[in-house]
Amino acid sequence: DQQVKQNSPSLSVQEGRISILNCDYTNSMFDYFLWYKKYPAEGPTFLISISSIKDKNEDGRFTVFLNKSAKHLSLHIVPSQPGDSAVYFCAASPNSGGSNYKLTFGKGTLLTVNP
Amino acid sequence: DAGVTQSPTHLIKTRGQQVTLRCSPISGHKSVSWYQQVLGQGPQFIFQYYEKEERGRGNFPDRFSARQFPNYSSELNVNALLLGDSALYLCASSFMAGPGPQHFGDGTRLSIL
Repeated sequence: DQQVKQNSPSLSVQEGRISILNCDYTNSMFDYFLWYKKYPAEGPTFLISISSIKDKNEDGRFTVFLNKSAKHLSLHIVPSQPGDSAVYFCAASPNSGGSNYKLTFGKGTLLTVNP
Repeated sequence: DAGVTQSPTHLIKTRGQQVTLRCSPISGHKSVSWYQQVLGQGPQFIFQYYEKEERGRGNFPDRFSARQFPNYSSELNVNALLLGDSALYLCASSFMAGPGPQHFGDGTRLSIL
């Protein structure tokens, strides 16, 4: 039972345009969400996060939007650059109420930014 | 500053053997978590340790065990290896066990023959 779903295995975008990566979750206990980027032969690199008390968080070219009622979040990359080509993972964890803040990951979306 | 370091980077074992993977967290980080990533999937949580105590365990058999040392480094042990244990094993560290980004090492690629 996948609690974090990334329904698009791949996405191809032209350099300079916007990349939008989507993520859905089913567990109502999740209220802290993260995006990671992973290059081949490297570990995941933290990009940006958002707590459920917010609906938007920005960091440079990266913006994460959270729609808690729809249990949906998205990562926007503007403008996209060829170096952004990587696998992007959405992850979620509970924000409180327990001692285990494990991350639950989606399967990832392969983003290809074409020059 | 050094990031999370894992050793070895690659390992080949045969079925039934035992393996120990090692992880050094970012300096100042007190929490270490272990994840297993198989091809085509996202990382799956195995263990979390904070201040040398186990704080959480994922849905893995008892063949998997871990510990954290006083210097906050950690080891993951897997006994009686199965072909299905072939995966990338990732270690992540964070300052505390609470909500917040976990920072990953580059992993140990374990292949079971």
